[in-house]
Amino acid sequence: DIQMTQSPSTLSASVGDRVTITCRASQSISSWLAWYQQKPGKAPKLLIYKASSLESGVPSRFSGSGSGTEFTLTISSLQPDDFATYYCQQYNSYPWFGQGTKVEIK
Amino acid sequence: QITLKESGPTLVKPTQTLTLTCTFSGFSLSTSGVGVGWIRQPPGKALEWLALIYWDDDKRYSPSLKSRLTITKDTSKNQVVLTMTNMDPVDTATYYCAHSFVRGGSGAPFDYWGQGTLVTVSS
Repeated sequence: DIQMTQSPSTLSASVGDRVTITCRASQSISSWLAWYQQKPGKAPKLLIYKASSLESGVPSRFSGSGSGTEFTLTISSLQPDDFATYYCQQYNSYPWFGQGTKVEIK
Repeated sequence: QITLKESGPTLVKPTQTLTLTCTFSGFSLSTSGVGVGWIRQPPGKALEWLALIYWDDDKRYSPSLKSRLTITKDTSKNQVVLTMTNMDPVDTATYYCAHSFVRGGSGAPFDYWGQGTLVTVSS
């Protein structure tokens, strides 16, 4: 099985900060990686697919990069609505998720 | 407009079988590239993928749960059913169904999700 490891587990940041979350795959997944945002009590929302493609309707402050085994999600200027938990998910084989990164208010 | 909704029992007893139904609209599971998956999330924990069924009836299961899971589709009813046998308290979670569409490669992200249904396993 491909393991997906996110870092950090928790991130404290302020509005306006640039935020970066890392996701590492235990073996190469090419660019078959997605990022999701989840708020408490809500279903996850797809933000990024194929490592760097922005899902329709997602603000441009979200961006993704990487290929192979290392990927990043960047929020260029953190907004109040962005405090949430973020998950990466590979879909090269089975759709495994990372363990999540909680972005909280500093 | 794509929508999905999960339905099923909110409480099951240990050792019982859980049956969940995902009823969807806005797409057809007979369309090439379309899939519906099940994902669960124990309270306060991470997302865990369970199973996935594609338009061509190809089925994928989480290896660790494969022996307990069955996923089926009823294209005429726009439904996907997941059964999980031998339920245990550790299976207490919110269960989501979600739509995927293969956009190249062998898989696809989940782009539309149901609201989720909380299933509690307790005697």
